[in-house]
Amino acid sequence: GPKVLQIPSHQIIDMGQMVTLNCDPVSNHLYFYWYKQILGQQMEFLVNFYNGKVMEKSKLFKDQFSVERPDGSYFTLKIQPTALEDSAVYFCASSHRDRERLFFGHGTKLSVL
Amino acid sequence: QQQVRQSPQSLTVWEGGTTVLTCSYEDSTFNYFPWYQQFPGEGPALLISILSVSDKKEDGRFTTFFNKREKKLSLHIIDSQPGDSATYFCAASYTNAYKVIFGKGTHLHVLP
Repeated sequence: GPKVLQIPSHQIIDMGQMVTLNCDPVSNHLYFYWYKQILGQQMEFLVNFYNGKVMEKSKLFKDQFSVERPDGSYFTLKIQPTALEDSAVYFCASSHRDRERLFFGHGTKLSVL
Repeated sequence: QQQVRQSPQSLTVWEGGTTVLTCSYEDSTFNYFPWYQQFPGEGPALLISILSVSDKKEDGRFTTFFNKREKKLSLHIIDSQPGDSATYFCAASYTNAYKVIFGKGTHLHVLP
């Protein structure tokens, strides 16, 4: 079936550094999402991106976070600067229509030291 | 504030048994309720979903029930298999929403 690819699978960085998480969504999908999961628990919504714009974001999407998808390339989540509490698994998802079946990647485990 | 609540947090059943997972929600504007299944090391995958205009949807061994008056849902898995061992998330959304809100998940273990 359709696949979402996330790169890298694991990223270790020092607190205060910048990190960029990359996502290659399903090719004909129009809606892109980032979710945060800690210790295999709840999937926390971060942000939705559609037509080049952030459509909705949660309180977890701090000012240090930004998303973009320049020229249909990777959909990225950038955190600058990182904090210890940003350690989590970040899942990218895409869908053809809003809230319709979300296809998730395997996640990027971010470890902030 | 937890918008989607799931129970139990963890559940163990024997192979061949019936698994019942429950979910409740607060926001009356929610009208779309998907269930996602997640295996370790993977992202969640849509298992089954239901709209608020229906009270039941079935897909093979999986059935979801919806009770609008009580704001509750359930997922039933008949003839549970060890391969069903995973985390199950109840989720909710509404028309024109740009997000799907997930519950905390139920860890299911099916013993052979």
